[in-house]
Amino acid sequence: DTGVSQNPRHKITKRGQNVTFRCDPISEHNRLYWYRQTLGQGPEFLTYFQNEAQLEKSRLLSDRFSAERPKGSFSTLEIQRTEQGDSAMYLCASTIGGLFPLHFGNGTRLTVT
Amino acid sequence: ILNVEQSPQSLHVQEGDSTNFTCSFPSSNFYALHWYRWETAKSPEALFVMTLNGDEKKKGRISATLNTKEGYSYLYIKGSQPEDSATYLCAFLNNAGNMLTFGGGTRLMVKP
Repeated sequence: DTGVSQNPRHKITKRGQNVTFRCDPISEHNRLYWYRQTLGQGPEFLTYFQNEAQLEKSRLLSDRFSAERPKGSFSTLEIQRTEQGDSAMYLCASTIGGLFPLHFGNGTRLTVT
Repeated sequence: ILNVEQSPQSLHVQEGDSTNFTCSFPSSNFYALHWYRWETAKSPEALFVMTLNGDEKKKGRISATLNTKEGYSYLYIKGSQPEDSATYLCAFLNNAGNMLTFGGGTRLMVKP
């Protein structure tokens, strides 16, 4: 068990470019969450997978955001046509179930210039 | 959108002081309440997962209580140490069981 792994740790991109982040959860965890965190705020829910099924997606999330979890293993989060407001820390977490704690990765810090 | 509020937003205490902070959440459709500790440059770490009204949990000098009927949880730290400095997050899970909604956190700074 190597914990939850996120790549890259940092990403700097120009406005309008597409970016993709990867999350490798703990192997036996069937639930995977993506959150976004900006300075001074708590993590904001983006989306949730149970195995390969995307069961929840925040209504705050624009159509430029998409996430996948093929085969219920790793997950990717893609942001198309990035905007400066997308600059944030993107956190991934996994768990066995709702009554169990989340295990977080170290996050991907995105800066859009 | 579920409303999970934490207060205060930040807190400065002296080493040795005991402190507590509050998490408020919807009292309907409750399933679980999580507490996490997030140190700078690290990832959030779980402290407690609480499910039953009246639950009390303890981990060393940190303890938490839960009132699901009125929708609040308290986190207590006894004899704060500088290494307790972190942001403390609570998160509410409703009985659909899918979306874990976080509060804004309480940032604790303990001065030696």
